[in-house]
Amino acid sequence: NAGVTQTPKFRVLKTGQSMTLLCAQDMNHEYMYWYRQDPGMGLRLIHYSVGEGTTAKGEVPDGYNVSRLKKQNFLLGLESAAPSQTSVYFCASSSRGRLVHEQYFGPGTRLTVT
Amino acid sequence: AQSVTQPDIHITVSEGASLELRCNYSYGATPYLFWYVQSPGQGLQLLLKYFSGDTLVQGIKGFEAEFKRSQSSFNLRKPSVHWSDAAEYFCAVGAGNNNDMRFGAGTRLTVKP
Repeated sequence: NAGVTQTPKFRVLKTGQSMTLLCAQDMNHEYMYWYRQDPGMGLRLIHYSVGEGTTAKGEVPDGYNVSRLKKQNFLLGLESAAPSQTSVYFCASSSRGRLVHEQYFGPGTRLTVT
Repeated sequence: AQSVTQPDIHITVSEGASLELRCNYSYGATPYLFWYVQSPGQGLQLLLKYFSGDTLVQGIKGFEAEFKRSQSSFNLRKPSVHWSDAAEYFCAVGAGNNNDMRFGAGTRLTVKP
């Protein structure tokens, strides 16, 4: 049982380049999330999805796009990378239910934009 | 929206000493509260959670936390810290149908030998 996996683990981009981060979960979770983690700021939600084919904006969505074509995958795209997007990106997933459920996190992707 | 404050950015304790990490939240309804731990280079792992009921909750690795509604706090404690507890600790509050979770800025724990 792999849980939540993220690809790639590290990436260096030049300003203006694009890339896609892939998140996959094998727990059959309905909800998936993308966060960024910056020193002194904790985790901030970029986008999330409550089911296949649906996405929604989080706290800091500007400069990112997402897609959830399959239930187990959640993609985060940067169309034109900027140095301000240098960060560690975490994907998470959780089940759906009446109560707020714990989120399961991937190992993270460290992105540097030069 | 809900929010979380962790007043201590960095705490250093000696191995074997007790630990308390502070967490204050802001939320109008009954909160769903979590503590996560992040070891260097790793993702976040759930230590414990509070939804309702007994206000003292037990978690993994010997951690516990106490929910105090009157103080809007959910402090994490451990009676005797081990060197392997050195990590960053995040408090989080959850709400809403979309499982909206807000994290504190984190407290980095250093353990002295």
